[in-house]
Amino acid sequence: QITLRESGPTVVKPTETLTLTCSFSGFSLTTTREGVGWVRQPPGKALEWLAMIYWNDDAYYNPLLKRRLIVTKDTSENQVVLTMIDMQPADTATYYCAYRPWVAVGDFFDPWGQGTLVTVSS
Amino acid sequence: DIQMTQSPSSLSASVGDRVTITCQASQDIRNFLVWYQQKPGRAPKVLTIDASKLKTGVPSRFSVGGLGTHFTFTISGLQPEDVATYFCQHYDSLPVTFGPGTTVDI
Repeated sequence: QITLRESGPTVVKPTETLTLTCSFSGFSLTTTREGVGWVRQPPGKALEWLAMIYWNDDAYYNPLLKRRLIVTKDTSENQVVLTMIDMQPADTATYYCAYRPWVAVGDFFDPWGQGTLVTVSS
Repeated sequence: DIQMTQSPSSLSASVGDRVTITCQASQDIRNFLVWYQQKPGRAPKVLTIDASKLKTGVPSRFSVGGLGTHFTFTISGLQPEDVATYFCQHYDSLPVTFGPGTTVDI
């Protein structure tokens, strides 16, 4: 059974850097085509894809946010880390990590972590 | 980037009704579309992939179709447990993008 869980601060101040950790089990992130993605959802709004990291360390980012994001993985710890710089109130959202199945022909997510709400406020 | 639109943005129906949601892509995405169900306070869950395949265990009252730029999602016989927001997402290429969602209420 694949599970993912996000952890990190619940509140950050404007201009600070957000670091979120996705701890996973049930897969290794070493199988060809496996990946972990990050998606966020502002309260009451739609989902927005942020970043993806694949089994081979390739990483891709939402072009609108690319300059602010870094995603890394540590397969020995079964973790993926998302770093987002220069947080602003508009970045207040629930942040999800999710599994990109190796059997998938494209990048969709199944399953997702429970999500963590991050509020940006001074 | 490929833009995804959905309609309606919300709907209210009665138990047993048939409801249909449409999802439109700004360019051809072939059949690379997934539908998610998100219940309040919960993470999204996959219902269908490849525009037409129900995930194992998803009730047969859910059906999907479409190809290219126009897709449909139907619940035949709405149940109370179907109250949720439904999102489409293309995966034709990165960046993947999501539709704005359709909230289904009873």
